[in-house]
Amino acid sequence: EVHLVESGGGLVQPGGSLRLSCAASGFTFSDHVMDWVRQAPGKGLEWVARAGNKASGHATEYATSVTGRFTISRDDSKSSVYLQMNSLESEDTAVYYCTSTQMGKVFDHWGQGTQVTVSS
Amino acid sequence: DIQMTQSPSSLSASVGDRVTVTCRASRGVASSLAWFQQKPGKAPTSLIYAASTLDTGVPSKFSGSGSGSEFTLTISSLQPEDFATYYCLQYKSYPFTFGQGTKLEVK
Repeated sequence: EVHLVESGGGLVQPGGSLRLSCAASGFTFSDHVMDWVRQAPGKGLEWVARAGNKASGHATEYATSVTGRFTISRDDSKSSVYLQMNSLESEDTAVYYCTSTQMGKVFDHWGQGTQVTVSS
Repeated sequence: DIQMTQSPSSLSASVGDRVTVTCRASRGVASSLAWFQQKPGKAPTSLIYAASTLDTGVPSKFSGSGSGSEFTLTISSLQPEDFATYYCLQYKSYPFTFGQGTKLEVK
């Protein structure tokens, strides 16, 4: 059974940094593409970033709103994906979900989410 | 960026009803369209990918259709557990974009 468990969320001041982690189990991690998707309070879903699988050379992609501030990375040896978030803004306040994608599908598994609050 | 517009934003229906949600893309996305269900306080779950393919374990009362720029999600014979918010997603090109969501409520 696939499990995705996010951690690292919390309260941070504007301009601060935070690193989210997502530990995966139950599947061959290196074969799957990993993404972060967020949801601001009372709002819809927003795709944030993608870390490609081994076959793609671990290519990365970002939403316009986070380009230059967020960095996604993965460690296949630890079955984990990370999101380094710098220069945080109040608009980054959201629940951040880790998702996995197997070939042919998209976001077929989701973690439970971790709350990030940016406030002074 | 490709804009995804869902309609309606909210929908009231009764148990046993059949409902349809529409998602329109600002430019063609071929069949790179997915649908997700989200219940309050929970993570979304995958329903449909490639516009019309049900994900594993999704009951056949859910169906998707369309290609290019107009897509539909149909739920037949609504049950209490189907009342939730539904989102479409285009994954044809980066940045991936979601529709704003359709909240399905009990009439």
